[in-house]
Amino acid sequence: QVQLQESGPGLVKPSGTLSLTCVVSGASINTNDWWSWVRQPLGKGLEWIGEIYPRGNSIDNPSLNNRVTISVDTSKNEFSLRLTSVTAADTAVYYCARVSYCGGECYSGYHGMDVWGQGITVIVSS
Amino acid sequence: EVVLTQSPASVSLSPGERATLSCRASHSVSNFLFWYQHKPGQSPRLLIYDASNRATGIPARFSASGSGTDFTLTISSLEPEDFAVYYCQHRSSPPPFTFGPGTKVDLK
Repeated sequence: QVQLQESGPGLVKPSGTLSLTCVVSGASINTNDWWSWVRQPLGKGLEWIGEIYPRGNSIDNPSLNNRVTISVDTSKNEFSLRLTSVTAADTAVYYCARVSYCGGECYSGYHGMDVWGQGITVIVSS
Repeated sequence: EVVLTQSPASVSLSPGERATLSCRASHSVSNFLFWYQHKPGQSPRLLIYDASNRATGIPARFSASGSGTDFTLTISSLEPEDFAVYYCQHRSSPPPFTFGPGTKVDLK
């Protein structure tokens, strides 16, 4: 059974850098799946941050103004999120998730975000 | 960028009633549309992929349809555990793979 677990500081100072890690257990990260970050500011909806394909590239949301870096460490079976120049608007629950590849078995090639971490609350405050 | 709008923003229903939720895309996303259920204090849960296919373990009371720009999620008979916020998301290139603002289904 695949499980994801986020970790990182729960408090980050304004203008600082938010760094989170998602450890994948129960399966290899080095597959055709994408590995994603999603956040939910308090009282608001879900926001797609970006995702990474361990055998290739990463993509992220332009609305975050080039502040996002998503990386992967296949030797540790984990992937990470780095968000720079944070403000109070970055306060949110951050989730990591697997975007499950289904290849020719499904129209889009992906089943969607079928496994999620439990989420980690990050507060930006001095 | 594809913008997803969802309607209604919220709906109050009773157990046993039918819920019909709408998701509209600003540009065609083909069938690359996904639905998620999100309850307070829990992680989101994948319900539907490719616009109309139930994910593993999702009860048959959840059904979905649509393609292009107009999509619908239907819960045929609400169970107590179905009261939640429902989000649609697209995976039509190019990114970002945005979510809709959500529809809250709450107890009347």
